[in-house]
Amino acid sequence: DTGVSQNPRHKITKRGQNVTFRCDPISEHNRLYWYRQTLGQGPEFLTYFQNEAQLEKSRLLSDRFSAERPKGSFSTLEIQRTEQGDSAMYLCASSLGLSTGELFFGEGSRLTVL
Amino acid sequence: AQSVTQPDIHITVSEGASLELRCNYSYGATPYLFWYVQSPGQGLQLLLKYFSGDTLVQGIKGFEAEFKRSQSSFNLRKPSVHWSDAAEYFCAVVPRGNTGFQKLVFGTGTRLLVSP
Repeated sequence: DTGVSQNPRHKITKRGQNVTFRCDPISEHNRLYWYRQTLGQGPEFLTYFQNEAQLEKSRLLSDRFSAERPKGSFSTLEIQRTEQGDSAMYLCASSLGLSTGELFFGEGSRLTVL
Repeated sequence: AQSVTQPDIHITVSEGASLELRCNYSYGATPYLFWYVQSPGQGLQLLLKYFSGDTLVQGIKGFEAEFKRSQSSFNLRKPSVHWSDAAEYFCAVVPRGNTGFQKLVFGTGTRLLVSP
């Protein structure tokens, strides 16, 4: 399978714990995006990388959230001191540089904070 | 305010019947327009897109959409729905006219249920 891969698919954690999600994009894609989707809502943009550079961050991304893409390949999204409001599906997507809006999404990582 | 609106939260259609899902946008300049589908347990998949030109665009899985500038709409249609079309459908836009990165902005989605 050469699509976007996300791990873990499901994570249940207690409030206050740290969690990390990983995303492996399609290999030739230089752009990588993180979105968050809560129940009954469309995906909301969190952050965007072009190669290893994080070029855009949403105001939704509080100081407890950090994302990296160290070698321009896979990316991680870490949430520190989780809160119940962080419960959501975290979606990763990738694209080629010139393909405006044509994103390839992974299946998502569902986070439940108890 | 800039927005993407999908007025229907749920729609139920009989198998074999036609389908139309509504999408309206509010942007100063016509944005790039997209429809994505999210099937259970699967990632979002692009159905079709409109950038310019012919206002009726064809997509995958037998879907089409029509751009109407006067109504600021980009409605998705399918002439005959199959049970496998049951999913959540998202209209999305990328604003244009500005330099730099422009993110994909999604509507709230319409859940399609297909009855036998």
